[in-house]
Amino acid sequence: QKEVEQDPGPLSVPEGAIVSLNCTYSNSAFQYFMWYRQYSRKGPELLMYTYSSGNKEDGRFTAQVDKSSKYISLFIRDSQPSDSATYLCAMRRNTNAGKSTFGDGTTLTVKP
Amino acid sequence: DAGVIQSPRHEVTEMGQEVTLRCKPISGHNSLFWYRQTMMRGLELLIYFNNNVPIDDSGMPEDRFSAKMPNASFSTLKIQPSEPRDSAVYFCASSLSRDEQFFGPGTRLTVL
Repeated sequence: QKEVEQDPGPLSVPEGAIVSLNCTYSNSAFQYFMWYRQYSRKGPELLMYTYSSGNKEDGRFTAQVDKSSKYISLFIRDSQPSDSATYLCAMRRNTNAGKSTFGDGTTLTVKP
Repeated sequence: DAGVIQSPRHEVTEMGQEVTLRCKPISGHNSLFWYRQTMMRGLELLIYFNNNVPIDDSGMPEDRFSAKMPNASFSTLKIQPSEPRDSAVYFCASSLSRDEQFFGPGTRLTVL
């Protein structure tokens, strides 16, 4: 079993919809949680970064971490065609400087 | 800023040939990561360096793969001999300590 499991998708939604992307994990030592966005034929880029449990909001994006359930989510409000990409969750332990474990990614298509 | 630079961007080679992928991290970053991405296996960490020293190479698939970082501004990933199953997109990423990883554009490798 993988340490990080991500809803596989693909996901297709109409423009303006609310999108929910989710990951579960098994290692309770994970402390830092990240969401990366990867456009086609590009490298991943960091979208959201949270530490421990709670919510973090940045514009239309909200990252949510529930450490008790080992579950993280990324919500996208008022989704736009430009949000069409693959979203990867990632997480790492506090002591393991730099090394992150990634989910396999969920591909999102927002249709105009 | 130039970002992480990878070369070549595309490589097509025949089975049995040696392949060398190159990476120039962002100036000032002290951690460098090599990843491989495929549809089947997602994004896999192959090896990472901290201050030019290999810290964790547990993701390197087998002895055919080797990585070096002779100085803070250059790293190579070598496959010798290459096999068709090595076909993938190889990403290099760099970061400053525990901060965000910045990914390069990737090298798309095809082994015939």
